[in-house]
Amino acid sequence: ILNVEQSPQSLHVQEGDSTNFTCSFPSSNFYALHWYRWETAKSPEALFVMTLNGDEKKKGRISATLNTKEGYSYLYIKGSQPEDSATYLCAPLGGGYQKVTFGTGTKLQVIP
Amino acid sequence: DVKVTQSSRYLVKRTGEKVFLECVQDMDHENMFWYRQDPGLGLRLIYFSYDVKMKEKGDIPEGYSVSREKKERFSLILESASTNQTSMYLCASSTLWGLLGKLFFGSGTQLSVL
Repeated sequence: ILNVEQSPQSLHVQEGDSTNFTCSFPSSNFYALHWYRWETAKSPEALFVMTLNGDEKKKGRISATLNTKEGYSYLYIKGSQPEDSATYLCAPLGGGYQKVTFGTGTKLQVIP
Repeated sequence: DVKVTQSSRYLVKRTGEKVFLECVQDMDHENMFWYRQDPGLGLRLIYFSYDVKMKEKGDIPEGYSVSREKKERFSLILESASTNQTSMYLCASSTLWGLLGKLFFGSGTQLSVL
């Protein structure tokens, strides 16, 4: 099993606060890293697919960075809104890249 | 848009029954996956397939089998359902060509085994 750790496990923030969470993964044999957002009663949807060390991706108020040498990625949300409430999952792809294993996720609740 | 369709949204079965969960994708993706989601445990990979008739065990294959006779269809089989298989099951598909393996998910099947 690919050892993928996400922290924190859950998070409550006030509307307007900025927040960030971490995905840690083995740095050897890295191929790509995916971030997904999973809202209640919906299917997970891809936010970012990242491949290069130092890569930074942005989608509206959400951004992500990637460090493949040390094996971590950060997801940032600026000015959290209630609609950002979801579980955020990361999935690093390694050498057996067809096998996609997820971290346990960070559950974010944004309080109005 | 890619569409991944799971045959049932909710399913209730009895212990010992044989259960089939069906998944169909319409984008000619090579890879298909079955996950289950349980509170506190995230998405855990049961089986995946990277080609027709090819299958690979994921992290929790015990008690499950799969079938991929056609590229677009990937079936998950519970040979003899047990209560600990009550869970949300998610199917996904992906291609490595141009999308770096980004997964597209179905809407899930909530299975209850009584």
